[in-house]
Amino acid sequence: NAGVTQTPKFQVLKTGQSMTLQCAQDMNHEYMSWYRQDPGMGLRLIHYSVGAGITDQGEVPNGYNVSRSTTEDFPLRLLSAAPSQTSVYFCASSYSNPGATYEQYFGPGTRLTVT
Amino acid sequence: TQLLEQSPQFLSIQEGENLTVYCNSSSVFSSLQWYRQEPGEGPVLLVTVVTGGEVKKLKRLTFQFGDARKDSSLHITAAQTGDTGLYLCAGATSNDYKLSFGAGTTVTVRA
Repeated sequence: NAGVTQTPKFQVLKTGQSMTLQCAQDMNHEYMSWYRQDPGMGLRLIHYSVGAGITDQGEVPNGYNVSRSTTEDFPLRLLSAAPSQTSVYFCASSYSNPGATYEQYFGPGTRLTVT
Repeated sequence: TQLLEQSPQFLSIQEGENLTVYCNSSSVFSSLQWYRQEPGEGPVLLVTVVTGGEVKKLKRLTFQFGDARKDSSLHITAAQTGDTGLYLCAGATSNDYKLSFGAGTTVTVRA
């Protein structure tokens, strides 16, 4: 199994450009999430999905859109890139268990720079 | 404001020494997870603790969940250079998929 894969690994955008960060998982997990990681701030939840066709906002959703048409894929769209969106983006998947602990399986990340 | 506060923010020790990282909150969590992240990679789950007072051991790493389920600690015995990384704690509340992450502790073990 590949686990959680993300593309691209690195990306540079100009202010105002749009792009899509790709995320896929092959573990048949029902839950998927997007986080951003900034120095000294840990991981902050952008959007998440509890199943195909269902998405919801996390802590920092502004400027980002998501969709979940299949269990495997969860792309993140930047509508109009801003320098404040310079960050490292991680996609993660999880599954439900009786303990409801929601352990996260993370992808390798996308380092995005907006100039 | 972080829901989970980790301390210290940075820790640099010599190989063979012991270290402890703390994760504290005013909130009660149904479970708490510890992750380790190496440069250029995503975080990897180390352990999940679910019961107040629970202690789990993973080789030289010992994890403890506070009795009130508001705090946790990670203790590494005889640290090795391979223990170098960013350690993150994350808390879950019942019936809520959204985890709260601490800001992390960067551990450097010098040879």
